[in-house]
Amino acid sequence: GENVEQHPSTLSVQEGDSAVIKCTYSDSASNYFPWYKQELGKGPQLIIDIRSNVGEKKDQRIAVTLNKTAKHFSLHITETQPEDSAVYFCAASETSYDKVIFGPGTSLSVIP
Amino acid sequence: ETGVTQSPTHLIKTRGQQVTLRCSSQSGHNTVSWYQQALGQGPQFIFQYYREEENGRGNFPPRFSGLQFPNYSSELNVNALELDDSALYLCASSQPIGAPQTGELFFGEGSRLTVL
Repeated sequence: GENVEQHPSTLSVQEGDSAVIKCTYSDSASNYFPWYKQELGKGPQLIIDIRSNVGEKKDQRIAVTLNKTAKHFSLHITETQPEDSAVYFCAASETSYDKVIFGPGTSLSVIP
Repeated sequence: ETGVTQSPTHLIKTRGQQVTLRCSSQSGHNTVSWYQQALGQGPQFIFQYYREEENGRGNFPPRFSGLQFPNYSSELNVNALELDDSALYLCASSQPIGAPQTGELFFGEGSRLTVL
């Protein structure tokens, strides 16, 4: 079955700096790669997703890149703000309505 | 539009007991997925329900079972509880399969189960 790995497990950056989280997946059949943000005491919330027919997608300060050949995908957050502090999960699935397999998470701290 | 709601929010059980967790999906969503999130880990897929039928299952034993009702609400049942079942159980609903599919899972805030 699909396995998603994620690095780093913790990340601390100064406010205004960029943060990068990297993920790899094992199942070449995966075509949908969402990213979720989980704040303390809440359920995960989708922040951005990318499909396999696209190599890069951007939404304001957040961007994702996908290298399907290498089975890598990454999340880039620019101009980080304290409210970006949370746990971020990458995930993968074959289609956007199949089971979604999550990575172990990255705890991001943005220091004011 | 009402979001995903789960109950109870917290509960404590002892080994060997049974538990039922409940989830009301977001309005218009007929697909519900359940995830187990142990402390400090990512959500692990338990199973998905679509139109009252199980539509995919993760690597969980049969003592984890579920139901989906005609109004698309759902239950997760766990029998013969073990200490390792202590976790946050998350329910997520998503847009109908076949509809213009964004793929987004809408999560509830979870039910935190402690097994003593």
